[in-house]
Amino acid sequence: DAGVIQSPRHEVTEMGQEVTLRCKPISGHDYLFWYRQTMMRGLELLIYFNNNVPIDDSGMPEDRFSAKMPNASFSTLKIQPSEPRDSAVYFCASSPDDSNQPQHFGDGTRLSIL
Amino acid sequence: KQEVTQIPAALSVPEGENLVLNCSFTDSAIYNLQWFRQDPGKGLTSLLLIQSSQREQTSGRLNASLDKSSGRSTLYIAASQPGDSATYLCAVPLGNTPLVFGKGTRLSVIA
Repeated sequence: DAGVIQSPRHEVTEMGQEVTLRCKPISGHDYLFWYRQTMMRGLELLIYFNNNVPIDDSGMPEDRFSAKMPNASFSTLKIQPSEPRDSAVYFCASSPDDSNQPQHFGDGTRLSIL
Repeated sequence: KQEVTQIPAALSVPEGENLVLNCSFTDSAIYNLQWFRQDPGKGLTSLLLIQSSQREQTSGRLNASLDKSSGRSTLYIAASQPGDSATYLCAVPLGNTPLVFGKGTRLSVIA
């Protein structure tokens, strides 16, 4: 079991640039979650998918953020245009169930917007 | 709105000591409560999941308890080791929405 795979591990870019974060969930997991972690706000849910369909995107902070899941093995989180306040660690997680099974987390993408 | 609070924010103990981490939540209508561990620069690793019908779960030196009526959970770590140093987070599902996390307790076990 390869676990949840995220890329890149680190991203440094200038404000205004487009940023794309990628995630490969564990095979067979029906749910995929995107979280953002900051010192001030802790770990926050941005959006989650069930069988590739977005279920709740109420945590997405602004229209600059978008997420897609074109198939069961791949998801992207895009920020366009990026701003310094978007700097954070972004985690992807997957699970076979929405709330009654433990979620499995990737190692995250540390994003710095200059 | 569900809010999850963890106290203390940081804790430092000598090796071998038994310790308790605390978690409280405001809405007691939960399906379960989960404890995670996060190492620096890493994602979260699930430690224990307690169903709402259960009062505790054990895994090795870890024991987690749940009191829904009072909105509290504790994570007990026996005979702490330097390898236990990490941040420990608790989380509860909010209705059909996935997990709401506390901000964690950063534990340091000193050899």
